[in-house]
Amino acid sequence: GAVVSQHPSWVICKSGTSVKIECRSLDFQATTMFWYRQFPKQSLMLMATSNEGSKATYEQGVEKDKFLINHASLTLSTLTVTSAHPEDSSFYICSAKTGGNTGELFFGEGSRLTVL
Amino acid sequence: DAKTTQPPSMDCAEGRAANLPCNHSTISGNEYVYWYRQIHSQGPQYIIHGLKNNETNEMASLIITEDRKSSTLILPHATLRDTAVYYCIVRVPHTGTASKLTFGTGTRLQVTL
Repeated sequence: GAVVSQHPSWVICKSGTSVKIECRSLDFQATTMFWYRQFPKQSLMLMATSNEGSKATYEQGVEKDKFLINHASLTLSTLTVTSAHPEDSSFYICSAKTGGNTGELFFGEGSRLTVL
Repeated sequence: DAKTTQPPSMDCAEGRAANLPCNHSTISGNEYVYWYRQIHSQGPQYIIHGLKNNETNEMASLIITEDRKSSTLILPHATLRDTAVYYCIVRVPHTGTASKLTFGTGTRLQVTL
């Protein structure tokens, strides 16, 4: 299947700093990517939809100024957690869709953020 | 997207078939059934999807009832590596921004020796 790669796979940072997570589609182009967040023992929650060349669309309750999304190319979307706090510690997962009307979504390996 | 109901957890002996049910009684005619799984601390993995016919690939088989109100994912010979949370999702396959997936709570499958 199609490959989606995230980097870093895990990161630890101090409270108040910013952290950038990259999501790349390695063997296909993705005009749309999605960012999810998952807290321990919970399901994935969609945070935002990343659109190549335009502004991201955020789900209700997600602060766009805190979670900056940039989708500058057809193979790369980035999520920046600004001024991170311990409550932002979570598993962040991106996904991208292959082409066609029944194209399935493929997910990255996830990035675990721990804010001290 | 139609709502799905899955048992919260199931056990399966290694080497046996794992049959994971999913109810989607409000599914509409143009909605597909998708299955994903998530192994601990990894991103979800696509398994299979179908509309109304049964489907099979190298990972699993998907059996959809004739009225399409329920389906079963079958892992024919479960191994310990199949231990994961399995998500059943029904949706219209959209393009672009509408293709997002909404995850429920899934079924936690534990494969045992």
